[in-house]
Amino acid sequence: EAQVTQNPRYLITVTGKKLTVTCSQNMNHEYMSWYRQDPGLGLRQIYYSMNVEVTDKGDVPEGYKVSRKEKRNFPLILESPSPNQTSLYFCASSLLIAPPYEQYFGPGTRLTVT
Amino acid sequence: AQSVTQLGSHVSVSEGALVLLRCNYSSSVPPYLFWYVQYPNQGLQLLLKYTTGATLVKGINGFEAEFKKSETSFHLTKPSAHMSDAAEYFCAVSEWAQKLVFGQGTRLTINP
Repeated sequence: EAQVTQNPRYLITVTGKKLTVTCSQNMNHEYMSWYRQDPGLGLRQIYYSMNVEVTDKGDVPEGYKVSRKEKRNFPLILESPSPNQTSLYFCASSLLIAPPYEQYFGPGTRLTVT
Repeated sequence: AQSVTQLGSHVSVSEGALVLLRCNYSSSVPPYLFWYVQYPNQGLQLLLKYTTGATLVKGINGFEAEFKKSETSFHLTKPSAHMSDAAEYFCAVSEWAQKLVFGQGTRLTINP
């Protein structure tokens, strides 16, 4: 089944404790992206990647890191989480053959930082 | 810069009634437009998309949307609401490549 998977689905952590949220897709998509969803703000892009070893900042990159060492994986790293990073996070992927580049979303990771 | 405004963070309709979720966008070039649905504890699922051509777009689950360039709108409708339509709906615009800009979302409640 074609899908985007994220782990963990739920995570509660404390301020400053490094964490990684994994994202994997099995559709051979070149493009991958991370979003955060906050009430009243919709989804905002954190980082994106056009292909292996190619990443760039989105609209809200502060406090986050990403890497793209393999085409299928795009982990999101919070090196020193803070309470304002409490949010619902989504990973998405798409092909880059031709627009409109429909994005496929993972199930989400709900992160709470205390 | 592109932006999306969804009018109404919460919409409540009775089962069997018309569903109308409003979306207005700002774009300097002809955009690609999307509606996504998010059911509780799930990711986003594409309902429908507008690229070029026919301005009335039909999607899954009986939803459709009409692209009106003169009004910069892309409102989502469904003639008869069903209880299973209760979810959050997001309108999104894309001007170039893969960059998606989302509206703030509209939570749809269906009353029995």
